[in-house]
Amino acid sequence: GAVVSQHPSRVICKSGTSVKIECRSLDFQATTMFWYRQFPKKSLMLMATSNEGSKATYEQGVEKDKFLINHASLTLSTLTVTSAHPEDSSFYICSARARGFLSGNTIYFGEGSWLTVV
Amino acid sequence: AQSVAQPEDQVNVAEGNPLTVKCTYSVSGNPYLFWYVQYPNRGLQFLLKYITGDNLVKGSYGFEAEFNKSQTSFHLKKPSALVSDSALYFCAVRVPFYNQGGKLIFGQGTELSVKP
Repeated sequence: GAVVSQHPSRVICKSGTSVKIECRSLDFQATTMFWYRQFPKKSLMLMATSNEGSKATYEQGVEKDKFLINHASLTLSTLTVTSAHPEDSSFYICSARARGFLSGNTIYFGEGSWLTVV
Repeated sequence: AQSVAQPEDQVNVAEGNPLTVKCTYSVSGNPYLFWYVQYPNRGLQFLLKYITGDNLVKGSYGFEAEFNKSQTSFHLKKPSALVSDSALYFCAVRVPFYNQGGKLIFGQGTELSVKP
């Protein structure tokens, strides 16, 4: 299957600082990428949908100024958690939908990034 | 609105026995249904999907799922469970592409535990 890479896999940052998480589609072009947040043993909460070259669409209740999403190319999307607080500590997962009609039905997920804010 | 329900938080099965992880859905229009598996501290791995065609869908690692339109269900099954199948399983439905880019709506997840 298609490969989606997330970096870093784990990051610890100080409260008040910003941290960036990258999501890359390694062997396909992703017109759309999705960012999720997951609490331990819980379901995934969609934060936002990003399309290459346009602004992200945020889900209700997600602060767009706090969780900055950029989809600069067909293979890269970034999530920046600004002014991080301990309650932002979580497992963040990105996913990507391949470009093209025939391959566009399946969404592939990255390995996730653990963020700990101290 | 699209939604997915996984009625069981946990399923316990003995190794070698068949397993079923339940999923029901509610969609307007044709359902695009998916199953994913998540191992501890990992991302989600795609198992299988139903878009159209045969109601019985075969996927990775010996898993299969049966689409039942009348019961609006898409239960995940495996004839003989392995201890290594122990993980968190998610059922998902995809909204249409013209509506928010085809995002996935997930069920709450079912933790599968297979004992030796």
